[in-house]
Amino acid sequence: DAGVTQSPTHLIKTRGQQVTLRCSPKSGHDTVSWYQQALGQGPQFIFQYYEEEERQRGNFPDRFSGHQFPNYSSELNVNALLLGDSALYLCASSSMQGLETQYFGPGTRLLVL
Amino acid sequence: SQQGEEDPQALSIQEGENATMNCSYKTSINNLQWYRQNSGRGLVHLILIRSNEREKHSGRLRVTLDTSKKSSSLLITASRAADTASYFCATEKASGNTPLVFGKGTRLSVIA
Repeated sequence: DAGVTQSPTHLIKTRGQQVTLRCSPKSGHDTVSWYQQALGQGPQFIFQYYEEEERQRGNFPDRFSGHQFPNYSSELNVNALLLGDSALYLCASSSMQGLETQYFGPGTRLLVL
Repeated sequence: SQQGEEDPQALSIQEGENATMNCSYKTSINNLQWYRQNSGRGLVHLILIRSNEREKHSGRLRVTLDTSKKSSSLLITASRAADTASYFCATEKASGNTPLVFGKGTRLSVIA
């Protein structure tokens, strides 16, 4: 039973570019949440997808967008990258059927130069 | 914004000693969870305690929750070098699939 997977593991981009990060949830899970973790900080909630729709959103600008596919996998897109977008991006999967624990993937480390 | 604050920010102990980390939060919660993170990798779920629970155990972990003080503590007994990691508390306002709100974490170093 595969856990949450994310790709790529590392990414280097320059300011102004666009990036797409990918996440496959744990088997049996239908909900994907994305978090940003800056160095030395705790993760911060970006948004959550369920049934291919954004259900909840944290305090992040519209440059951050996402998508969920019919197989429950998800993408996080960030446009017009800023130096401050450098962070570890974590994907968490869960089931909308009431299970409280969110299972996290290994993350994608993004460096913006 | 961060909901919780862990205390201390960093902790260094000898192998075999107990490690205690504290977490304070600001708003009412449904549950509080503790996660471990090794070297900037993914988060591993350790334990969840609901707002109507006061204490919970899992192996060498003991978690307490005081909702009147809006605080929680995580005790790791008989620590091992492999426990070296960052520990985060995260609160959830409602049951199931609401955003987790994390603190800044405690960096634990266990010296062999």
